[in-house]
Amino acid sequence: NAGVTQTPKFRVLKTGQSMTLLCAQDMNHEYMYWYRQDPGMGLRLIHYSVGEGTTAKGEVPDGYNVSRLKKQNFLLGLESAAPSQTSVYFCASSYPGSYNEQFFGPGTRLTVL
Amino acid sequence: ILNVEQSPQSLHVQEGDSTNFTCSFPSSNFYALHWYRWETAKSPEALFVMTLNGDEKKKGRISATLNTKEGYSYLYIKGSQPEDSATYLCAQNRDDKIIFGKGTRLHILP
Repeated sequence: NAGVTQTPKFRVLKTGQSMTLLCAQDMNHEYMYWYRQDPGMGLRLIHYSVGEGTTAKGEVPDGYNVSRLKKQNFLLGLESAAPSQTSVYFCASSYPGSYNEQFFGPGTRLTVL
Repeated sequence: ILNVEQSPQSLHVQEGDSTNFTCSFPSSNFYALHWYRWETAKSPEALFVMTLNGDEKKKGRISATLNTKEGYSYLYIKGSQPEDSATYLCAQNRDDKIIFGKGTRLHILP
């Protein structure tokens, strides 16, 4: 099993460009999450999903959109990238029976110039 | 306390010494508390999930305690080794979400 994978691993964007980050999990987990990690800020929740076709906002949702069309995939979109979105993005998945223990992907390092 | 707070933010410990750090969290509507270990350039990995007041969990030289009534948890590392250098994250369940603290960055000095 691959666990949680993220594509791409690295990306550099110019201000105003758009992109989509893909998270995939093969553990049949119901819940999926997108976090961003910034120095001194820990992990902050952007958006999450408790099932296929459902999404909800986290702590810092502005400037991002998400979709969960398939149970195993959770997409994070940046419609018009800004330098403030330079960060490392982590995806995680969990299932409710495990107290939502988070299984993390390897991260995507995004730089917006 | 509304947020999950961790202290200290950073800690330097001599190899072989024991150490501990704190996580504070809102005690109302408590469900579960998590500890994660996060090595540089890797992803966070779960250490413990704790649910009951008075819980104590242990994995090798690392242990954790939980006080849900007063809203705190301690993580202990006995006889620190270089491989213990990492950021230790505490996180609390809130409905369907997990709210993380900012972590304690542990440096082990040779």
